[in-house]
Amino acid sequence: QVQFVQSGAEVKKPGASVKVSCKTSRYTFTNYAIHWVRQAPGQRPEWMGWISAGNGNTKYSQKLQGRVTITRDTSATTVYMELSSLRSEDTAVYYCARGDYGDSLVPLGYWGQGTLVTVSS
Amino acid sequence: DIVMTQSPDSLAVSLGERATINCKSSQSVLYSSSNKNFLAWYQQKPGQPPRLLIYWASTRESGVPDRFSGSGSGTDFTLTISSLQAEDVAVYYCQQYHSIPGTFGPGTKVDIK
Repeated sequence: QVQFVQSGAEVKKPGASVKVSCKTSRYTFTNYAIHWVRQAPGQRPEWMGWISAGNGNTKYSQKLQGRVTITRDTSATTVYMELSSLRSEDTAVYYCARGDYGDSLVPLGYWGQGTLVTVSS
Repeated sequence: DIVMTQSPDSLAVSLGERATINCKSSQSVLYSSSNKNFLAWYQQKPGQPPRLLIYWASTRESGVPDRFSGSGSGTDFTLTISSLQAEDVAVYYCQQYHSIPGTFGPGTKVDIK
């Protein structure tokens, strides 16, 4: 069974950066892209971007371009999402997720448990 | 960006009755070359990540009960729960994966009447 385990909750001050990890297991890591989706309290999910675990290519939401960076460590089968210049509106649960094919937008059938990032002074 | 809207915002249905949720996209999510609609439905319960129910607008994900069905094409879509069960209480989201960013609808909260 595909498994994603995300790092723990974070509290950050405005202007700081946060890096969330997503440890994957029980499938061939390099065969699939990993997506990041965030969800502010009481709001709809928001797609942030993806990384091809095979070749490291990335694609980001234009809204977050310049502030978000997704990387991967193939030896550790782990994907990282770093968000910089944090503001209060970035307070959300951050999820890693995977589809069943391709390096593109896909239906996301596998999700991590989520990581709460709170931005507060 | 493609804007997704849903109706109603919430609905309460008696156990065993039908629940119907509508989703509309600001532009077509149908790829004519494949004749596929790039539209998914998710269920989310409190404290949990979204769960994929339906993709390609009408294909049920493995393990999803057959009381869940999806229909529609182009810009107008529907999720139907044919006989509501207690465990179906949740928020339901549609999402288009036709164009970056893959935008979600605002959600529809389903409760028991």
